[in-house]
Amino acid sequence: KQEVTQIPAALSVPEGENLVLNCSFTDSAIYNLQWFRQDPGKGLTSLLLIQSSQREQTSGRLNASLDKSSGRSTLYIAASQPGDSATYLCAPSGGSGNTPLVFGKGTRLSVIA
Amino acid sequence: DVKVTQSSRYLVKRTGEKVFLECVQDMDHENMFWYRQDPGLGLRLIYFSYDVKMKEKGDIPEGYSVSREKKERFSLILESASTNQTSMYLCASSLPRGNRNEQFFGPGTRLTVL
Repeated sequence: KQEVTQIPAALSVPEGENLVLNCSFTDSAIYNLQWFRQDPGKGLTSLLLIQSSQREQTSGRLNASLDKSSGRSTLYIAASQPGDSATYLCAPSGGSGNTPLVFGKGTRLSVIA
Repeated sequence: DVKVTQSSRYLVKRTGEKVFLECVQDMDHENMFWYRQDPGLGLRLIYFSYDVKMKEKGDIPEGYSVSREKKERFSLILESASTNQTSMYLCASSLPRGNRNEQFFGPGTRLTVL
């Protein structure tokens, strides 16, 4: 059964810093991997989706990489801003059929002005 | 833009009540999902559906049932609500495998069972 671990569980950085959030998963036979953002008390917002054949995806100040063989993905946030403060979750989906996403517990990010 | 809506943002019910949580998506997605989210436990899959009138159990289906009579609507039913079902409930939808398969979430329903 797929297990997803996100490290660190919480992170506090000063505004302007570049940062990396880590995600590891136990079963490398994935179809794709999504990164989400969640603000307190709200639903999840999709940030980036990486197909299993891709190595990275970029959207604005966000860059997600995928190393399927080692079971790792990273989310890089450049020039962090207080508005980036949220919980970030990664979720791979299984390689066979329409297997649902499996979520990590997230990294809670605080960007201090 | 994909839109997933949930019938209530906040809901308070009594123990033993039958509770319906409704989810509607407007992008003709085949796949729909119900999760619950609890502090320290993360998101856990309750039920999902790949087509109308079709359902599959997730990791924690006990105490819940679902209904999908129309493609755009997926309902979660708590037959007899209990206090341990107090949680944040999140609905999501996606296209099937072979497409981009990106999953989109609704705003969530915070359910309190007293």
